Amino acid sequence: EAQVTQNPRYLITVTGKKLTVTCSQNMNHEYMSWYRQDPGLGLRQIYYSMNVEVTDKGDVPEGYKVSRKEKRNFPLILESPSPNQTSLYFCASSLLAGGKNIQYFGAGTRLSVL
Amino acid sequence: EDKVVQSPLSLVVHEGDTVTLNCSYEVTNFRSLLWYKQEKKAPTFLFMLTSSGIEKKSGRLSSILDKKELFSILNITATQTGDSAIYLCAVAHSGNTPLVFGKGTRLSVIA
Repeated sequence: EAQVTQNPRYLITVTGKKLTVTCSQNMNHEYMSWYRQDPGLGLRQIYYSMNVEVTDKGDVPEGYKVSRKEKRNFPLILESPSPNQTSLYFCASSLLAGGKNIQYFGAGTRLSVL
Repeated sequence: EDKVVQSPLSLVVHEGDTVTLNCSYEVTNFRSLLWYKQEKKAPTFLFMLTSSGIEKKSGRLSSILDKKELFSILNITATQTGDSAIYLCAVAHSGNTPLVFGKGTRLSVIA
């Protein structure tokens, strides 16, 4: 089954404790992206990647890191989480061919930073 | 600056009503407009529109794009409680750059 898988689905942590949210897709998509979703602010892009070893900042990259060592994986790293990073996070992927960019989303990771 | 504006931000209707959700955009080099439905989990893809005036339809949902006036509408007829969700509009532009999302319309359908 074609899907985007995020883990964990729920995470509670404390300020400053490094964490990683994994994202994996099995559709051979070139494009992958991370978003955070907050009430009243909608989906905001954190980072995206056009292909292996190619990553770019989105609208709200501060406090986050990503890597794209393999096509299927795009982990999101919070080196020193802070309470303002409490949010709902989505990973998405898409094919780039034809410029259609229909993104398929993972189920989301709800993060609370205490 | 590229932007996508959805209206209304939230809407409450009764089962059986028809609703129209709006999405206007200002982006350079428009390529396509996408609608997503988000219930409790991830957004799921509904429609992609690239040409003006051609209606896309799926059951009780339909959508159309006006590239001259830079907006799209999503219609839902005979609404059901299962239509309750956040509906997101996004625009793809300038080749393979990221999608620009609106803030969404929260639709609540009450029995």
